[in-house]
Amino acid sequence: DAGITQSPRYKITETGRQVTLMCHQTWSHSYMFWYRQDLGHGLRLIYYSAAADITDKGEVPDGYVVSRSKTENFPLTLESATRSQTSVYFCASSETRGPYEQYFGPGTRLTVT
Amino acid sequence: KNEVEQSPQNLTAQEGEFITINCSYSVGISALHWLQQHPGGGIVSLFMLSSGKKKHGRLIATINIQEKHSSLHITASHPRDSAVYICAVRSWDFGNEKLTFGTGTRLTIIP
Repeated sequence: DAGITQSPRYKITETGRQVTLMCHQTWSHSYMFWYRQDLGHGLRLIYYSAAADITDKGEVPDGYVVSRSKTENFPLTLESATRSQTSVYFCASSETRGPYEQYFGPGTRLTVT
Repeated sequence: KNEVEQSPQNLTAQEGEFITINCSYSVGISALHWLQQHPGGGIVSLFMLSSGKKKHGRLIATINIQEKHSSLHITASHPRDSAVYICAVRSWDFGNEKLTFGTGTRLTIIP
């Protein structure tokens, strides 16, 4: 299907485990982004990628790792999950990083116990 | 103080009412976005504007660059408009462009 998808949609994991959240887009957008959404905060940027093999830190990158070997995929890995990483994670993509619209995935709700 | 402030945080109105949601920001911006997040969680872009006014159906977005303020209006509100509305601003930070989000306004329209 066309668009941007995330998997899994819901995940419960234990503290200390490694978790990977997947993001896939079919538009061949250059830019992809990972955000987290927490109560009382606006969406906060974790990492972004300008193209395959180019990634950069956002506002809250600690504890996360990303990779982008293919333009269409942008997985986010929590190397050792902590309770503070319980959140809703959104992936987004856009044609450029300039003032263009970002298209958001449906989100992944992650609970770390 | 957050760079982007939205008001009100929560708004409940009767069907048919005219709705106004406000967004104030404290930095120079290149553009402002209004987004809608439905109860299921999905986020969609409603408007992107850098000056003046835009209209799409019953939704109107305005921006006043000098006053660092934007408003989102909904005319003839309907229960399906119930959602969280998020304002986000694009600004430059040490040569990098960034997008800063407000915490959202939760709108509930009662039939």
